[in-house]
Amino acid sequence: DAGVIQSPRHEVTEMGQEVTLRCKPISGHDYLFWYRQTMMRGLELLIYFNNNVPIDDSGMPEDRFSAKMPNASFSTLKIQPSEPRDSAVYFCASSLGPLNIQYFGAGTRLSVL
Amino acid sequence: AQTVTQSQPEMSVQEAETVTLSCTYDTSESDYYLFWYKQPPSRQMILVIRQEAYKQQNATENRFSVNFQKAAKSFSLKISDSQLGDAAMYFCAYRSKTSYDKVIFGPGTSLSVIP
Repeated sequence: DAGVIQSPRHEVTEMGQEVTLRCKPISGHDYLFWYRQTMMRGLELLIYFNNNVPIDDSGMPEDRFSAKMPNASFSTLKIQPSEPRDSAVYFCASSLGPLNIQYFGAGTRLSVL
Repeated sequence: AQTVTQSQPEMSVQEAETVTLSCTYDTSESDYYLFWYKQPPSRQMILVIRQEAYKQQNATENRFSVNFQKAAKSFSLKISDSQLGDAAMYFCAYRSKTSYDKVIFGPGTSLSVIP
């Protein structure tokens, strides 16, 4: 398997623009997680899905953030409108079952100017 | 709530030497998982080693081993025969077995390997 695939690797956008980050989990994994990594706050869980259903979105910072998982092989994290403080590295991870190892993608580095 | 602390923001080690990275955590639970993840400059988060709290034996993976002190809530990572490719950020992480979906990460330790 190719592992968790995220795109794009880098995204530069201007404040106010919509940003969409994409994730393809490992085939067969039933849990998908979105994390944000910043220098100030470290690695934070934003939201996670089980069998395509959002289970806990308490980590989503505000209404400008939304995540979807239309099928088992694809998820998106959208920021609309984006702000400079959203600049961070966003990771997607997947696991088979809740107690198993989470496998991380390479992340998307987002810069909002 | 569980917390994970890594008190060493930066560490360095001479190539071929041994280095130990510290991690402490706070929890009221008796069974859980602990992990060490490595994040090289490529940003990929790579699992290095995993420990289950009910297992007394310390986990080992080749040159990587842990010293798990459950009573002290300490989980240090020892890297033996350090190699240049070991240079990375290392994150200690905690995963509950009851609120089992979430992983709590420490702030990380940046490890440099000196040739």
